[in-house]
Amino acid sequence: SAVISQKPSRDICQRGTSLTIQCQVDSQVTMMFWYRQQPGQSLTLIATANQGSEATYESGFVIDKFPISRPNLTFSTLTVSNMSPEDSSIYLCSVDRGQGRGYTFGSGTRLTVV
Amino acid sequence: KQEVTQIPAALSVPEGENLVLNCSFTDSAIYNLQWFRQDPGKGLTSLLLIQSSQREQTSGRLNASLDKSSGRSTLYIAASQPGDSATYLCARVAGGSQGNLIFGKGTKLSVKP
Repeated sequence: SAVISQKPSRDICQRGTSLTIQCQVDSQVTMMFWYRQQPGQSLTLIATANQGSEATYESGFVIDKFPISRPNLTFSTLTVSNMSPEDSSIYLCSVDRGQGRGYTFGSGTRLTVV
Repeated sequence: KQEVTQIPAALSVPEGENLVLNCSFTDSAIYNLQWFRQDPGKGLTSLLLIQSSQREQTSGRLNASLDKSSGRSTLYIAASQPGDSATYLCARVAGGSQGNLIFGKGTKLSVKP
């Protein structure tokens, strides 16, 4: 079953800077999902990352703000660009483990922008 | 629009009590439904997955049911313990080729010793 290593686990960043979050999966997967969880809220899908093609972004999220890379079937990065305090959230990556075993998540990146 | 609703938003019970968390969803063409646990500031831990062809799944003190006709799922926790205190999220798989999960807002459970 797929296990995801996500890093960093947390960071405190200055406004106007960028942070890149990495997710490494221990098996090959077609789609990787990136979610945001704002304080006190549930998870919202940012984008779906497929290897070899541009990520598909949900309404309200744009590539310039959240560029995503997917260089191979086991790795993806999400960058939060030009950060503001409103970007303070937990960011999580996820994959479908396949074979009817459901979805698994990385441990999350807790971002605070000051 | 596909939506997932969880009731109650928060629940506080004494240790040892049995409890039920509710999840309802629009769109009867449900695929799979998955229950997660989230501890404060942490990621998600998968508890139970119910495939669309199934009616329930059990793991230890947890039992999850799925009723597609009424658009509901329940998570039953038997003999609750303080360590069960967390936020419980239910999520359904989005339809079509999207493949992502759509989450409810969660139920924050507090089990008091």
